[in-house]
Amino acid sequence: GQQVMQIPQYQHVQEGEDFTTYCNSSTTLSNIQWYKQRPGGHPVFLIQLVKSGEVKKQKRLTFQFGEAKKNSSLHITATQTTDVGTYFCADLNYGGSQGNLIFGKGTKLSVKP
Amino acid sequence: DAGVTQSPTHLIKTRGQHVTLRCSPISGHKSVSWYQQVLGQGPQFIFQYYEKEERGRGNFPDRFSARQFPNYSSELNVNALLLGDSALYLCASSQLAGEYTDTQYFGPGTRLTVL
Repeated sequence: GQQVMQIPQYQHVQEGEDFTTYCNSSTTLSNIQWYKQRPGGHPVFLIQLVKSGEVKKQKRLTFQFGEAKKNSSLHITATQTTDVGTYFCADLNYGGSQGNLIFGKGTKLSVKP
Repeated sequence: DAGVTQSPTHLIKTRGQHVTLRCSPISGHKSVSWYQQVLGQGPQFIFQYYEKEERGRGNFPDRFSARQFPNYSSELNVNALLLGDSALYLCASSQLAGEYTDTQYFGPGTRLTVL
């Protein structure tokens, strides 16, 4: 079945350093959604990417969708302690009046002040 | 506007028991999906309901069932609980189902512990 791979599994950075997490699939991704889950919390929707080569920015966060729609990335510039959490990418498996998300395993980000 | 709400927040059950989890979607959203998140993993799809009909089912045993009510709220039922059912159960709501631009918003989840 469809699988979404996400790397790295863990990332430890010093506050102020940059951070990137990558999402890959062997099949074409349709609609990539990125979520952030704080420790003890629930996934919070960040962004949605649907077009090949799409780039979206939210303040220090930059999201990209690959030209071949087989990969996506999230880059955080100058991390802050508030960025701590696990970042998930998920592909929307849709069609036939239904749509479910297929999640990667997430990248857990820790930020040392 | 209120987001997705779920109840209860936490639940402790013993093996073999039955549990019912509840979810109310965002106002105006007609689709509810259920996901199971085991510690350290990404959420796994269980069910999707739209307009009170089951539209999708993940790879979960028949002990798991769900339904959606006329007001679009939903219940997830799990029978004959196993230790491995211990997880965070997440409800997600979206306006539609099956559209490529569909965005799913998650509730705070129900933390189920099976002893």
